[in-house]
Amino acid sequence: SQTIHQWPATLVQPVGSPLSLECTVEGTSNPNLYWYRQAAGRGLQLLFYSVGIGQISSEVPQNLSASRPQDRQFILSSKKLLLSDSGFYLCAWSRQSYGTEAFFGQGTRLTVV
Amino acid sequence: AQSVAQPEDQVNVAEGNPLTVKCTYSVSGNPYLFWYVQYPNRGLQFLLKYITGDNLVKGSYGFEAEFNKSQTSFHLKKPSALVSDSALYFCAVRDIQGTYKYIFGTGTRLKVLA
Repeated sequence: SQTIHQWPATLVQPVGSPLSLECTVEGTSNPNLYWYRQAAGRGLQLLFYSVGIGQISSEVPQNLSASRPQDRQFILSSKKLLLSDSGFYLCAWSRQSYGTEAFFGQGTRLTVV
Repeated sequence: AQSVAQPEDQVNVAEGNPLTVKCTYSVSGNPYLFWYVQYPNRGLQFLLKYITGDNLVKGSYGFEAEFNKSQTSFHLKKPSALVSDSALYFCAVRDIQGTYKYIFGTGTRLKVLA
């Protein structure tokens, strides 16, 4: 069976510090990978998605970047965090077929202080 | 462009009563529609999907959804609500125009009252 791991669960970082959130998927190959941000417990904002190694699409210009160094690894990074980067970050994966659902990790609560 | 709308920020229902959470969609071509549930500080859990076939789709935890092409709706339903169903519910559509993105609605908070 497939599993998705996302860590850490919570993170408190000072303004101006770097960020690295990691997401890995097990039990499948060549997944689509996604990073979403959820603010104030409501809507989901798609930040990045990837259909293959080294292929990253950015949805919103911002202080964040993403990388996919391996087939089942997706990393969200920032060189210098802003207060506005606080939120709940969710990683997800799906198969390539359009008719398949996405599976989400448990999320990372990031607080920038 | 593909999009979904959830017109209600919150739905309140008494335990044991039927519940409906509304979703309408706008797509080019055939829609691929999904419902997810989120509990506090957790990731989203998949409930059900419509791809093709029967308009009434059954999913996890006793939930079902009715696809209505003429009304472009995909409402989530459950015959008898439980207090434990209280959560945030999201409708989503899959972008089929080459990007594989999932586009989510703004979410509806369901509160089941004992």
